[in-house]
Amino acid sequence: DQQVKQNSPSLSVQEGRISILNCDYTNSMFDYFLWYKKYPAEGPTFLISISSIKDKNEDGRFTVFLNKSAKHLSLHIVPSQPGDSAVYFCAASAETGANNLFFGTGTRLTVIP
Amino acid sequence: NAGVMQNPRHLVRRRGQEARLRCSPMKGHSHVYWYRQLPEEGLKFMVYLQKENIIDESGMPKERFSAEFPKEGPSILRIQQVVRGDSAAYFCASSPRIVAGASTDTQYFGPGTRLTVL
Repeated sequence: DQQVKQNSPSLSVQEGRISILNCDYTNSMFDYFLWYKKYPAEGPTFLISISSIKDKNEDGRFTVFLNKSAKHLSLHIVPSQPGDSAVYFCAASAETGANNLFFGTGTRLTVIP
Repeated sequence: NAGVMQNPRHLVRRRGQEARLRCSPMKGHSHVYWYRQLPEEGLKFMVYLQKENIIDESGMPKERFSAEFPKEGPSILRIQQVVRGDSAAYFCASSPRIVAGASTDTQYFGPGTRLTVL
């Protein structure tokens, strides 16, 4: 039962343009959301997070948007750079749970120079 | 500032052998999580531990898998009598002490151990 879904397995974007990665979830108890970036043969690297009390969080070129009514979040990267090419995982957790994270299946972003 | 450390990075075992995966959390972190990633899939939660305590093992297979986080030393994920289906990347993450009622603390991941069962 996949509670966090990333329906686009891959995305290609031209350098300098905006990358938009999407994520949907089904569990209404989730109240904390994170994006991780992963290079081959490495562990996931934390990028940015958002609590359910917010609808937007920004950190440099990265912005995460949360739409609780739609159970949808997105990661915007602007401007995209070739070094952003990686697999991006969306993750969610419930505060009242044991704090384990539920991951999506990932989206492979390729930024074309 | 050492991050989460895992060893070995690669482990090859034959069917029926035991696999031991080690994880040293970041300095100051007392919470450890183990995740497994099968090919072409996302990470799946296995177990959450604090020092000397298993807090949540709901993602752990009922047989052959065990985990510990002793008072001294790294956390160990042990897989007994490995089978080919155990071949995966196993990631450990750690987070600081979580204050009750606060938002979930960010988990920081190690580089993973890639287990191959022949």
